[in-house]
Amino acid sequence: DAKTTQPPSMDCAEGRAANLPCNHSTISGNEYVYWYRQIHSQGPQYIIHGLKNNETNEMASLIITEDRKSSTLILPHATLRDTAVYYCIVRGFGNEKLTFGTGTRLTIIP
Amino acid sequence: GAVVSQHPSRVICKSGTSVKIECRSLDFQATTMFWYRQFPKKSLMLMATSNEGSKATYEQGVEKDKFLINHASLTLSTLTVTSAHPEDSSFYICSALVGADYEQYFGPGTRLTVT
Repeated sequence: DAKTTQPPSMDCAEGRAANLPCNHSTISGNEYVYWYRQIHSQGPQYIIHGLKNNETNEMASLIITEDRKSSTLILPHATLRDTAVYYCIVRGFGNEKLTFGTGTRLTIIP
Repeated sequence: GAVVSQHPSRVICKSGTSVKIECRSLDFQATTMFWYRQFPKKSLMLMATSNEGSKATYEQGVEKDKFLINHASLTLSTLTVTSAHPEDSSFYICSALVGADYEQYFGPGTRLTVT
């Protein structure tokens, strides 16, 4: 599976949109982009995933560039409870495993 | 969404003893579960893939005789840390594979402290 690069940390003001970037320049055509987050001392939580189209659910939006080499996770109105480590993971179709990188530690500031 | 539970949430044991951690899928059946460990301020590392009715598949460098995995039913996988030592102290997390998109749902984790 393709490797991903994320900034180690980011801050965002409460109530603003949090935009978390992810670079996956070696992604191949059958690989999906997944986002998970892990709040301190808890198990990871699935957020969203996509292949090439932008996706939105009740938690977030995922914007994937046309060349699929990068993506952005958007939390539209960040709250203090969104403080967590966010992991961007690229996984091939049919591959059951997830390989976690170091992620982005997002801190929401009151 | 799918719910995965773990028991216990935290455990303290003495060096040399064995500890069993349970992972259950509460509202669905899971033929495949995964076990991860996570050291403080580090990322999750996959230890093994647990398949119902067959032997687990361990990642490179993980001792299968030390970390015994049993997946005897479609809703339960167990991880037993045998002859635990202080360096086995860690946060152990399980997940279950759900659906055709291979989404993984994670348990809340078990914090093991070996004294």
